[in-house]
Amino acid sequence: DTAVSQTPKYLVTQMGNDKSIKCEQNLGHDTMYWYKQDSKKFLKIMFSYNNKELIINETVPNRFSPKSPDKAHLNLHINSLELGDSAVYFCASSQEAVQETQYFGPGTRLLVL
Amino acid sequence: SQQGEEDPQALSIQEGENATMNCSYKTSINNLQWYRQNSGRGLVHLILIRSNEREKHSGRLRVTLDTSKKSSSLLITASRAADTASYFCATDADKLIFGTGTRLQVFP
Repeated sequence: DTAVSQTPKYLVTQMGNDKSIKCEQNLGHDTMYWYKQDSKKFLKIMFSYNNKELIINETVPNRFSPKSPDKAHLNLHINSLELGDSAVYFCASSQEAVQETQYFGPGTRLLVL
Repeated sequence: SQQGEEDPQALSIQEGENATMNCSYKTSINNLQWYRQNSGRGLVHLILIRSNEREKHSGRLRVTLDTSKKSSSLLITASRAADTASYFCATDADKLIFGTGTRLQVFP
């Protein structure tokens, strides 16, 4: 059984489009995250939700909007995509606190043309 | 930048050899974690060491932590080709901050 799943796995789109990435975890965790990994493999947190409430919101352009319909799901919507948004986006979850072990999804590879 | 730094950036060894990766960080921590990332995959948690611990073992992995030097090391003993991956340390403040990663290549 997949613990943290993301869809789609690959996303190729044109500049200016709006797209969404979905994430689901079946671990019963309270906290979920979105990370961005750039071409140099730098991994940086974007957002974190605990029990559907936003607890971390890094300096991310407001074109990026996370939504957590319930504690098992955390989706990422991106408006007006730009070339610099091309990256791999990872969803993760942890039992409670940010400092605990995090479980990562397989990643969504976004390419903006 | 708060990002931790790892060295070496890349490491190539033969199967059976030991691999050592180092991580330096900048802020005080509660815990330090090590993760592995195989090519094209998500990160997988390897080991967590708490700030009051100096050494921890898990199978072929040995992690040390020196909070006075703000550094940690990951030793993989008797490496295998399947250990080929990128390895990241992650420190916690109000969020996990990942290091720059070490790309390990183990040749059969």
